Amino acid sequence: GIQVEQSPPDLILQEGANSTLRCNFSDSVNNLQWFHQNPWGQLINLFYIPSGTKQNGRLSATTVATERYSLLYISSSQTTDSGVYFCAVITGGGNKLTFGTGTQLKVEL
Amino acid sequence: GAVVSQHPSWVICKSGTSVKIECRSLDFQATTMFWYRQFPKQSLMLMATSNEGSKATYEQGVEKDKFLINHASLTLSTLTVTSAHPEDSSFYICSARDLRLRPYEQYFGPGTRLTVT
Repeated sequence: GIQVEQSPPDLILQEGANSTLRCNFSDSVNNLQWFHQNPWGQLINLFYIPSGTKQNGRLSATTVATERYSLLYISSSQTTDSGVYFCAVITGGGNKLTFGTGTQLKVEL
Repeated sequence: GAVVSQHPSWVICKSGTSVKIECRSLDFQATTMFWYRQFPKQSLMLMATSNEGSKATYEQGVEKDKFLINHASLTLSTLTVTSAHPEDSSFYICSARDLRLRPYEQYFGPGTRLTVT
């Protein structure tokens, strides 16, 4: 099956810093989503982005499908950005999400 | 919009008993629901996919007789962990999708933390 690797696995930032999270996948995908899992376990949809670039406030994402990677940018980070960030993909004609390995982010004052 | 709830949010049960977890889509009709399991510090692993009115499709390695899934309506799916054992302790998360509204996006419930003693 498809492999979805995220980097870095762990990241510590000072409040106000910017960061880039990466998601690499081993096969062509029809669907890519980015999620934020908060410290209570809730998964929050950030972006549905199978290709191209999208922005939502301090967050933006870019997927280059032909090169099999996606990037999530966080600008002016805040302590509430802490948690785990997952990318997840769907391949072929299926409907199953395969989750990446995750990036654990901690934003400190 | 696209809110999914789960109940209970946490449960402790004794080994050998059964536990039912409910997943509801509150403001949309969920043509498909998914159940995931997440162990500490790990990613989400899909357990099964269910379509309303049909039998669930289980992922390889998931015991269908142990994890009973029912998707009786377009807003409710249940996961029953039968004869639970300590190794079943985990964080169980459901998600839902409306094929007619946003066919390529899944919306997740807040999760249920199960501890089997």
